Amino acid sequence: EIVLTQSPATLSLSPGERATLSCRASQSVDSYLAWYQQKPGQAPRLLIYDSSNRATGIPARFSGSGSGTDFNLTISSLEPEDVAVYYCQQRSNWLTFGGGTKVEIK
Amino acid sequence: QVQLQESGPGLVKPSQTLSLTCTVSGDSISSGGYYWSWIRQPAGKGLEWIGRIFASGRTNYNPSLKSRVTISVDMSKSQFSLKLSSMTAADTATYYCAAIAARPAWGQGTLVTVSS
Repeated sequence: EIVLTQSPATLSLSPGERATLSCRASQSVDSYLAWYQQKPGQAPRLLIYDSSNRATGIPARFSGSGSGTDFNLTISSLEPEDVAVYYCQQRSNWLTFGGGTKVEIK
Repeated sequence: QVQLQESGPGLVKPSQTLSLTCTVSGDSISSGGYYWSWIRQPAGKGLEWIGRIFASGRTNYNPSLKSRVTISVDMSKSQFSLKLSSMTAADTATYYCAAIAARPAWGQGTLVTVSS
C-alpha cells in the first residue's frame, strides 16, 4: 500500500498570503496524484488531477506540482472561501489518500 | 462528464449487511475509461478507499475490509453496488461512489449510520 503523508496538518494564514501544502508518497506514484478540497458537509471537490492539471472551473490561484514522491498544492493568494480541508490522492497503485491539511484564515 | 448518485438505506442494524447502489450517467459504465470505486469517510475523519470494479468485472478490495466487501456491476442498469457485511458502529460513515480516472468524478455521498 502506498502511504501518502500530508504536511502541515494545519495551515493558518492571512488573506492574500501564499499557501503551500505538501504531499509525500512512500513510493513513486509517477504523476498520478490528485488534490481535493472538502468543506464541511460537502463531498470532496476535485482541484488538480495528474499532479498539475486544474480541473474544470477551478480558479487559477490553485496550482499543483511534483512527480514521483513529492508533490505540492499552492494557493497563490488565499481567499476566505479557501478555508477547507485539502486531501491528496494517488491512483498509481489502487487508491489511497493523505490524512489532509486543514487551511484556516488568521 | 460522468455523474454518479448513491442510493441505499441510511440506517443499518449491527451485524447486518449494508447494500448501496451507485447509478452512473453521462458516460457508459462499460467504457474502459474509468474504474468504479467506493470510498467512505467517518464524520470528522479522513477518506478510506473500500474497493473498485472494472468494466470487465475484475475487483480489488482494501485488505482491511476484504473479508466483508463485495462490489458488483450491472451494465444493463448502468449501476455498480457495494455490499458490506457484519456492520458495526465503526462502519458509520458517509459512503461515496466515484469514477476514478485521470479526471475523477464523485457522487455527493450518502450517510450510513449503524445503530440498533
